[in-house]
Amino acid sequence: GDSVTQMEGPVTLSEEAFLTINCTYTATGYPSLFWYVQYPGEGLQLLLKATKADDKGSNKGFEATYRKETTSFHLEKGSVQVSDSAVYFCALRRGTQGGSEKLVFGKGTKLTVNP
Amino acid sequence: DARVTQTPRDKVTEMGQEVTMRCQPILGHNTVFWYRQTMMQGLELLAYFRNRAPLDDSGMPKDRFSAEMPDATLATLKIQPSEPRDSAVYFCASAPQGGEQYFGPGTRLTVT
Repeated sequence: GDSVTQMEGPVTLSEEAFLTINCTYTATGYPSLFWYVQYPGEGLQLLLKATKADDKGSNKGFEATYRKETTSFHLEKGSVQVSDSAVYFCALRRGTQGGSEKLVFGKGTKLTVNP
Repeated sequence: DARVTQTPRDKVTEMGQEVTMRCQPILGHNTVFWYRQTMMQGLELLAYFRNRAPLDDSGMPKDRFSAEMPDATLATLKIQPSEPRDSAVYFCASAPQGGEQYFGPGTRLTVT
């Protein structure tokens, strides 16, 4: 079945450090890929997405590129801030053309950024 | 700013009691999802509806859990009887058909 594997946390960085959170997936067909962020005490928010190979999703300084050859969708940010401290989830969704709309999530990676 | 709302935000109950969680999806969204989040299992899809009809409830323990949409503005998730292992955060999300999911703030359930 479909699955998402992301690097285990927690990840602790200093402000302005470079961030990478690895994510790989297993799925049939051509899924859409997502990164969600969860701040303490809140629900998940969509951070960015990519719907086909070589697409790059970006938002708030975060980027991820859909790599079909390596089945990966790694999250990166060049300079993290304290306000980026949160849990980050990688997810996939198979096509909605008659297919499932279910999101399959990774386990989540907790990021803490220290001043 | 349209949001998914969930009530209650926190619920503490004793095992054996009935628990009902409610969700108001974003107006115009016709697809509603229920997820459960625990430290051990992460985020799991319990059930989802489109146009108020259940499409998939394979992730839900059938003997004690039930999910319904009495109308387009309300989704409910009921546990009867509740057990300590049901302690988790339950999220509702809504989406326009084929569109992105918007999550509510969650209901934190503690069963003692």
